[in-house]
Amino acid sequence: SYVLTQPPSVSVAPGQTARITCGGNNIGSESVHWYQQKPGQAPVLVVYDDSDRPSGIPERFSGSKSGNTATLTISRVEAGDEADYYCQVWDSSNDHCLFGTGTKVTV
Amino acid sequence: EVHLVESGGGLVKPGGSLRLSCAASGFTFSNAWMSWVRQAPGKGLEWVGRIRSNTDGGTIDVAAPLKGRFTISRDDSENTLYLQMNTLKTEDTAVYYCAADANYGFSFDIWGQGTMVIVSS
Repeated sequence: SYVLTQPPSVSVAPGQTARITCGGNNIGSESVHWYQQKPGQAPVLVVYDDSDRPSGIPERFSGSKSGNTATLTISRVEAGDEADYYCQVWDSSNDHCLFGTGTKVTV
Repeated sequence: EVHLVESGGGLVKPGGSLRLSCAASGFTFSNAWMSWVRQAPGKGLEWVGRIRSNTDGGTIDVAAPLKGRFTISRDDSENTLYLQMNTLKTEDTAVYYCAADANYGFSFDIWGQGTMVIVSS
């Protein structure tokens, strides 16, 4: 098993772009999913399979991956995007789920 | 509308047991691979375990640190997922969420609202 490392916090002004990274040794060979969690609420899926968006998620949310780092990008950030964000993969070596350490986005 | 509703949380003493339930509606529960995820106060998300659909073998996987104390089951006739927690420790205190990977690959696209478990003497 391995660790998914995210920056603890990202601060961004309204209208700007936030980028949240997720690094892990084997992440390049796994599908990465991203979740948004607001205080007192359950997580919400915002990106799946590295770069796809579920129905209802704004196009401002996008995902990418290069090597062993995945990135969630939030364009034209709004006050309502302030939340914790987590990356997630399934570790193919043992079929167990891993969550990233989480990033608090402050707008 | 799609829903997952957890129940069964509460206050339990160290060493005690608790069974959580998760009632599903609005999607084909029997086809979904279901997981439990927990979140200790002020901490990040931690995967507890998963049960595959019965058509995919019904295999149960539990996170290594919890194996032997926690187990997962499902009743497709009742559209309900269960988490049996034994020999509880104070560090098991957390909000417990059930989550389904129903529509989008192996991501968790449906979440319950969570149920709080407090392990304290």
